[in-house]
Amino acid sequence: GENVEQHPSTLSVQEGDSAVIKCTYSDSASNYFPWYKQELGKRPQLIIDIRSNVGEKKDQRIAVTLNKTAKHFSLHITETQPEDSAVYFCAASSNYQLIWGAGTKLIIKP
Amino acid sequence: EAGVAQSPRYKIIEKRQSVAFWCNPISGHATLYWYQQILGQGPKLLIQFQNNGVVDDSQLPKDRFSAERLKGVDSTLKIQPAKLEDSAVYLCASSLVTSGKETQYFGPGTRLLVL
Repeated sequence: GENVEQHPSTLSVQEGDSAVIKCTYSDSASNYFPWYKQELGKRPQLIIDIRSNVGEKKDQRIAVTLNKTAKHFSLHITETQPEDSAVYFCAASSNYQLIWGAGTKLIIKP
Repeated sequence: EAGVAQSPRYKIIEKRQSVAFWCNPISGHATLYWYQQILGQGPKLLIQFQNNGVVDDSQLPKDRFSAERLKGVDSTLKIQPAKLEDSAVYLCASSLVTSGKETQYFGPGTRLLVL
């Protein structure tokens, strides 16, 4: 079955700098890759997703890139702000369900 | 539009007791998910329903966990008997259809502590 690995587990960046979180997946048939943000004590919420027919998608300060050959995808956050502090989860769609990564705790230092 | 509702928000029980959680998905959403999220980990899918049928329950510990969605709307998840390792947040989510490629909308979760 599908396996999703996410790195790093914790990422600390200076406010205003960029943050990059990377995920790899094992099932070459996976074709949908969402990213969810979970603030402390709150529910996960979708922030961006990408389908396998595109290589990059951008939404303001957030972008996701997909390399199907290498089976990895990444989340890029530019000009980080304090409200970006949260745990970010990647996921890959396989057989009608999402397989989730273990999460990355993003810390924005003032 | 009302979101996914869950109750209770918190529950503390002793091991070997039973507990039940309730979820009401977004109106019109055919697919309902129950996840277990242990502190510091990602959500783990326990069971996925499409309407009132089970799509996947391969990771549901069936000796102690059960779930139903009898009328294809609300759902309940039960644990009987509970173990210490069941302490976690139980998240319910819903999506419009079951293709694995739609946004899942999560409820606030039920935080369970087993003593």
